[in-house]
Amino acid sequence: DQQVKQNSPSLSVQEGRISILNCDYTNSMFDYFLWYKKYPAEGPTFLISISSIKDKNEDGRFTVFLNKSAKHLSLHIVPSQPGDSAVYFCAAQGTAGNQFYFGTGTSLTVIP
Amino acid sequence: DAMVIQNPRYQVTQFGKPVTLSCSQTLNHNVMYWYQQKSSQAPKLLFHYYDKDFNNEADTPDNFQSRRPNTSFCFLDIRSPGLGDAAMYLCATSRDLGPDGYTFGSGTRLTVV
Repeated sequence: DQQVKQNSPSLSVQEGRISILNCDYTNSMFDYFLWYKKYPAEGPTFLISISSIKDKNEDGRFTVFLNKSAKHLSLHIVPSQPGDSAVYFCAAQGTAGNQFYFGTGTSLTVIP
Repeated sequence: DAMVIQNPRYQVTQFGKPVTLSCSQTLNHNVMYWYQQKSSQAPKLLFHYYDKDFNNEADTPDNFQSRRPNTSFCFLDIRSPGLGDAAMYLCATSRDLGPDGYTFGSGTRLTVV
């Protein structure tokens, strides 16, 4: 039972344009969300997070938006750069425990 | 400076032959996790240690065991690997339980032949 879903397995974007990666979740008890970035042959690295008390968090070129009513979050990368090409995982955590639930990832390719 | 180190990067083992994967950390984090990630699937938590306290996920097969002899090291033992256990195994750490991002190792890709 996949509680965190990333329905787009891949995305291609031109360099300089905006990349939008989407994530949906089913558990309304989730209250903390993260995005991880993963290059081939490396472990995931933390990118940006958002708590359920916010609807937006920004860090440089990366912005995460949270829509609690829709149980949806998105990661915006502006402007996209070739070095952003990686697999992006969305993860969610609830107050009941420490486990993060991961999505299946979206592979982003930024075309120079 | 690698802070969570997994060895080896690639491991090939025979069907049914016990195998151990290693994880070490220089962060002095309290919590260490083992995740299993199969191709095109989300990472799945197997178990975690909070300090010396072991916490097994309910659906983790008995075939998977873990040891944490000290703060820095954590091992994943697969007693009798099956073909279905071929996956990437990710070790992660966090300072404490709660809403705190993890630091992941690079993973060990296990092949079972």
